[in-house]
Amino acid sequence: EDQVTQSPEALRLQEGESSSLNCSYTVSGLRGLFWYRQDPGKGPEFLFTLYSAGEEKEKERLKATLTKKESFLHITAPKPEDSATYLCAPKGDYGGSQGNLIFGKGTKLSVKP
Amino acid sequence: NAGVTQTPKFQVLKTGQSMTLQCAQDMNHEYMSWYRQDPGMGLRLIHYSVGAGITDQGEVPNGYNVSRSTTEDFPLRLLSAAPSQTSVYFCASSYSTAGSTDTQYFGPGTRLTVL
Repeated sequence: EDQVTQSPEALRLQEGESSSLNCSYTVSGLRGLFWYRQDPGKGPEFLFTLYSAGEEKEKERLKATLTKKESFLHITAPKPEDSATYLCAPKGDYGGSQGNLIFGKGTKLSVKP
Repeated sequence: NAGVTQTPKFQVLKTGQSMTLQCAQDMNHEYMSWYRQDPGMGLRLIHYSVGAGITDQGEVPNGYNVSRSTTEDFPLRLLSAAPSQTSVYFCASSYSTAGSTDTQYFGPGTRLTVL
């Protein structure tokens, strides 16, 4: 059965304090792994797609990496505006969840000034 | 482009009432889907569609109906609302089918409360 686990559930950082969010997955035939950001009361906003182990992508203070079993979202020198819930969603082949996204529960990040 | 739009933003229903949540996209996307989001749980797929006239069930389809008569619209119907359907509902769309790696874009959500 396809599964996704994100950790920690919540993370509090001081402004400038770098850290990483983890996404562990078990998916049949990974086709891609998506990261989204969700602000309170809003829909998820797309950040990155990673396709194969070893791939990395960066956007401002965020860097996403992928291994065969995990993905990490590294946040370097975060600012208060980075506060949000970060969602991980791998997509498997049709042998798994019909090729649809499988979402983790998210990591709620709070960055204090 | 407006992207993915959803109406209404908020809705309160009484148990047993019916209603339709509207979703529309103006990006000519073939794939559309409905998710619900509950506290402490990830987004869960309710129904999805790979094109006009084609729909399929997701992880939690019970109590919901969908149809896709046009590429642009994908309404979600609650025939007899129950308190367990209190949730935030998101519609999403992507250019190609479920198995592709095209990015799914989400609407702003509908917050539904069933009393």
